[in-house]
Amino acid sequence: GAVVSQHPSWVICKSGTSVKIECRSLDFQATTMFWYRQFPKQSLMLMATSNEGSKATYEQGVEKDKFLINHASLTLSTLTVTSAHPEDSSFYICSARDWGSSNTEAFFGQGTRLTVV
Amino acid sequence: AQTVTQSQPEMSVQEAETVTLSCTYDTSENNYYLFWYKQPPSRQMILVIRQEAYKQQNATENRFSVNFQKAAKSFSLKISDSQLGDTAMYFCAIPLGPDKIIFGKGTRLHILP
Repeated sequence: GAVVSQHPSWVICKSGTSVKIECRSLDFQATTMFWYRQFPKQSLMLMATSNEGSKATYEQGVEKDKFLINHASLTLSTLTVTSAHPEDSSFYICSARDWGSSNTEAFFGQGTRLTVV
Repeated sequence: AQTVTQSQPEMSVQEAETVTLSCTYDTSENNYYLFWYKQPPSRQMILVIRQEAYKQQNATENRFSVNFQKAAKSFSLKISDSQLGDTAMYFCAIPLGPDKIIFGKGTRLHILP
């Protein structure tokens, strides 16, 4: 199946700083990528849909200015957590669907564990 | 609105036993896909099995099979001859339009030695 690579796997940052997480589709073009947040022992919560060359679509309750999403190419989307605070500590996962394939499932990155201290 | 309900937050079975995870959903679509994803302790999401709603035959992937009841909007996952490596969180999911995928709350499955 298609491969999605997410980097870094884990990051620790100080309160007030910004952190960038990258999501790359390695062997297919992803016009749309998705960013999820997952709290311990809970399901995936969709934060935003990232569209190549246009603004991201954010889910209700997700702060656009805090979670900046850029989808500059067909293989790369980035999520920047700005002015991070301890409550932003979480597991963030990206995914993409390969519309060039006959399959429609989403492929996921490895996830990023963010800890804000 | 499309919803996915997994009524079993946690389950435990002995190794080599068969276990069935439940999932019900609601959708206004007539043709759609359904998925089961596995999230092991590594937290990497892995597709276990997919079912196309217009296909009456239940999907099977080695030890994993589904019982798809379209009229009842039920999509359960059966794991046969369970193995320790099957210990994971399992999510039932359905696409919402061309972009989003809606996930259930998950079932945490423990395979006991």
